[in-house]
Amino acid sequence: QKEVEQNSGPLSVPEGAIASLNCTYSDRGSQSFFWYRQYSGKSPELIMFIYSNGDKEDGRFTAQLNKASQYVSLLIRDSQPSDSATYLCAAGDDNTNAGKSTFGDGTTLTVKP
Amino acid sequence: DTGVSQNPRHKITKRGQNVTFRCDPISEHNRLYWYRQTLGQGPEFLTYFQNEAQLEKSRLLSDRFSAERPKGSFSTLEIQRTEQGDSAMYLCASSRNQGALYNSPLHFGNGTRLTVT
Repeated sequence: QKEVEQNSGPLSVPEGAIASLNCTYSDRGSQSFFWYRQYSGKSPELIMFIYSNGDKEDGRFTAQLNKASQYVSLLIRDSQPSDSATYLCAAGDDNTNAGKSTFGDGTTLTVKP
Repeated sequence: DTGVSQNPRHKITKRGQNVTFRCDPISEHNRLYWYRQTLGQGPEFLTYFQNEAQLEKSRLLSDRFSAERPKGSFSTLEIQRTEQGDSAMYLCASSRNQGALYNSPLHFGNGTRLTVT
């Protein structure tokens, strides 16, 4: 079982809709969580990070963290065709050794015009 | 902030040859990471440095892989006696250490794509 699990998709939404991406993690000690976007053939780029339970909003993006359920999500409002990409969820090491981040295998999102 | 730079962008080599990749991190970042990514998979952790110290190396990593960051600036990743299974995108990332509790976001380079024939 991978330490960070994501639905591989593909997830397809119409333009203007809300896209919801989900992620679960196994290390209860993890304190840091990240969403990266990766276009085909490109390297990952940071979308959002979240450290505390609850919601964190940045423009059209909202990250949600529930440490009790070991669950992280990313909502993309007013989805655009340019949002079509693979979205990678990552969890940082536990709080006694904040070193590497462990990535899920990503969810592929397609936004249809 | 000129970004993370990786060289070469592409490398094709024959099985059994040695290859070396270079990564120049963002100048003020003291942490440097190497990941490997294959098609359809997320980045897989290989190793990371804080300044010149190599703090962790993946237990899954073969002894054929070695990395250095001699002066705490650029880093090299060497793969000896390459195998076809080593074919992948090798990603370097850097970050500024925020302390013991939280990880900082990673800034990735464009990667080096290795093809072993």
